[in-house]
Amino acid sequence: KNEVEQSPQNLTAQEGEFITINCSYSVGISALHWLQQHPGGGIVSLFMLSSGKKKHGRLIATINIQEKHSSLHITASHPRDSAVYICAVRPNAGGTSYGKLTFGQGTILTVHP
Amino acid sequence: GAVVSQHPSRVICKSGTSVKIECRSLDFQATTMFWYRQFPKQSLMLMATSNEGSKATYEQGVEKDKFLINHASLTLSTLTVTSAHPEDSSFYICSARLETQYFGPGTRLLVL
Repeated sequence: KNEVEQSPQNLTAQEGEFITINCSYSVGISALHWLQQHPGGGIVSLFMLSSGKKKHGRLIATINIQEKHSSLHITASHPRDSAVYICAVRPNAGGTSYGKLTFGQGTILTVHP
Repeated sequence: GAVVSQHPSRVICKSGTSVKIECRSLDFQATTMFWYRQFPKQSLMLMATSNEGSKATYEQGVEKDKFLINHASLTLSTLTVTSAHPEDSSFYICSARLETQYFGPGTRLLVL
């Protein structure tokens, strides 16, 4: 079992729909990142969370540390939101993985006009 | 916001040649940079952690003599793929950490 699991793996939506992507992890973390990767390959960091909720434009990210779960929401989705969304966690200090990001497998989002 | 650049963005080379990829932090100093590799339809895999002024730390299974990393300054890390073979064809991405993680645009390597 991967340390970071995302669901769904593929998501297709119509323009305007509300979208949720989920991320569950199994290790203690100091931070969780949501990343966006467009077809050209470049990666943009959307959010870094250690608790609670963050909002930027139409994007909302939440995290529940006790349940080891995070969600990324997109309101009023648009075709330009089509991309791969990746959840990545930074494990807590003390282990061999300290400081490194562990990535989920990504969610491929396609938004149709 | 902080920007990380990579050069080149795309490179095609013959088998057996060496390829150097540069990663620069444009408006901040990065004592640590990370090099990732991504195969099609797969997630990023950390190859090594590049530390300014000291040796890189390689992940298990990554050949340090094959993938040479040099972090000569606080704004530049280079990854050299030595004696490249077709199986080294991949998408290579660097990142640097400030308060959050910033990623370069990636370098697509094709070895013929």
